[in-house]
Amino acid sequence: LAKTTQPISMDSYEGQEVNITCSHNNIATNDYITWYQQFPSQGPRFIIQGYKTKVTNEVASLFIPADRKSSTLSLPRVSLSDTAVYYCLVGPNSGAGSYQLTFGKGTKLSVIP
Amino acid sequence: NAGVTQTPKFRVLKTGQSMTLLCAQDMNHEYMYWYRQDPGMGLRLIHYSVGEGTTAKGEVPDGYNVSRLKKQNFLLGLESAAPSQTSVYFCASHKREGSYNEQFFGPGTRLTVL
Repeated sequence: LAKTTQPISMDSYEGQEVNITCSHNNIATNDYITWYQQFPSQGPRFIIQGYKTKVTNEVASLFIPADRKSSTLSLPRVSLSDTAVYYCLVGPNSGAGSYQLTFGKGTKLSVIP
Repeated sequence: NAGVTQTPKFRVLKTGQSMTLLCAQDMNHEYMYWYRQDPGMGLRLIHYSVGEGTTAKGEVPDGYNVSRLKKQNFLLGLESAAPSQTSVYFCASHKREGSYNEQFFGPGTRLTVL
């Protein structure tokens, strides 16, 4: 499984756009990039997933460059309720060996009033 | 739909005691998972199941047993609890046809072993 590296923590003011970058130099051809959000005392929640270029949903955008060795999760106009830990995961989407999600330590985002 | 629910929410055990954690999902998902999360750490997979009657070991299976007698339920057992098993336990599930990376998590069970 590809190893990921992301900042341990980030601070942002309310209303700002936040970009969290994840490095995954050893990503394999059949790997997808997935981001989860975890609030204190809750289970992780799926945010977004992509394979290449850009993916956008109602919560966030995911930017993936052509070489796919990194990805950036973009949260538009954050609010206090976006304070959470954000995990970047890399792995195949299906098939044998894809059952184990590998969570690193994540990025703790603190939104400041 | 309630989604994924876990019982109990909190539990304190003494070393050597046994207990069972229950995970239930009402989404008709085939795949179910048990993870543990220790302070400041990501999640580690304990056991998983790809369908009723089948289970498999994950990254950290020692000291735990599981059963999947019904499709909607996945039980995690601790036969003889140890302080090293103090953790927050999360259950997750997803459907066979869906993305393996998009799992639905329960609220967690906080277990303390004294």
